Amino acid sequence: GQNIDQPTEMTATEGAIVQINCTYQTSGFNGLFWYQQHAGEAPTFLSYNVLDGLEEKGRFSSFLSRSKGYSYLLLKELQMKDSASYLCAVRRNYGGATNKLIFGTGTLLAVQP
Amino acid sequence: DGGITQSPKYLFRKEGQNVTLSCEQNLNHDAMYWYRQDPGQGLRLIYYSQIVNDFQKGDIAEGYSVSREKKESFPLTVTSAQKNPTAFYLCASRQPGQGNEKLFFGSGTQLSVL
Repeated sequence: GQNIDQPTEMTATEGAIVQINCTYQTSGFNGLFWYQQHAGEAPTFLSYNVLDGLEEKGRFSSFLSRSKGYSYLLLKELQMKDSASYLCAVRRNYGGATNKLIFGTGTLLAVQP
Repeated sequence: DGGITQSPKYLFRKEGQNVTLSCEQNLNHDAMYWYRQDPGQGLRLIYYSQIVNDFQKGDIAEGYSVSREKKESFPLTVTSAQKNPTAFYLCASRQPGQGNEKLFFGSGTQLSVL
C-alpha cells in the first residue's frame, strides 16, 4: 500500500520559521516533491528531493530521509503571502518508465501578523 | 509566455448532463494529467496521457473520459455516470526525462452540480 501523512493545519507568526512535516510509506520510492497552493489556484512547484539531505532555495528548504520515510519543508522569515496549502507528493515507480505522483492531503498554513 | 490554460474557471452541470473541461498547454510537453481535488483529500489522478493518441486510466477514472488528439490539448469529459462530480479539477503537464520532471499545473476548474 501507500500512505502519505502531513498535518492538516498549522499557524505561525510573520517573520518566524515554520517546519511542515511529511511522512510516507510506499514501495518504489523515486523522489518527493513539495508544492504550494493558494486557495482556488494552481499548485506551484517548490522543491524536489530524491537523495537524503537538505535542499535550500532562498527562504524555503526541504529535507529528506529515505530510511525514515520522512521529509520536511522549512519556511524562514515568514510573510503573509506564505499563507497557503503545502502539498507533499511522493513519486512512485511502478516498473520501467512508469512513475506516478501520490499526493498527501496538504497542510493549510496560516501566517498571522 | 509558456503555460497551461484551463477553461472555464467555473462550470455548472445539470443532472444527466455531460460537460467537458478544456486543458491546453504550449510548453511542448508530452505528458498530461487530470487530477481531482476534494476538501480534506489529496489530489487524485483521473486520467493521464504520456504521448499523443494514447491515454491511461488513473485511480478514479470511472465516470470520466478523455482524448489526446493533439499534443497541446487534453480535454476531460465528466459524464452523467459520475454521480459526485462536484470538485476542483486540475490539469497538469510535464516533460519526461528532463531533470526532476516536475508537474506544471493549470489554474483549475471548479465544477458544481445544479
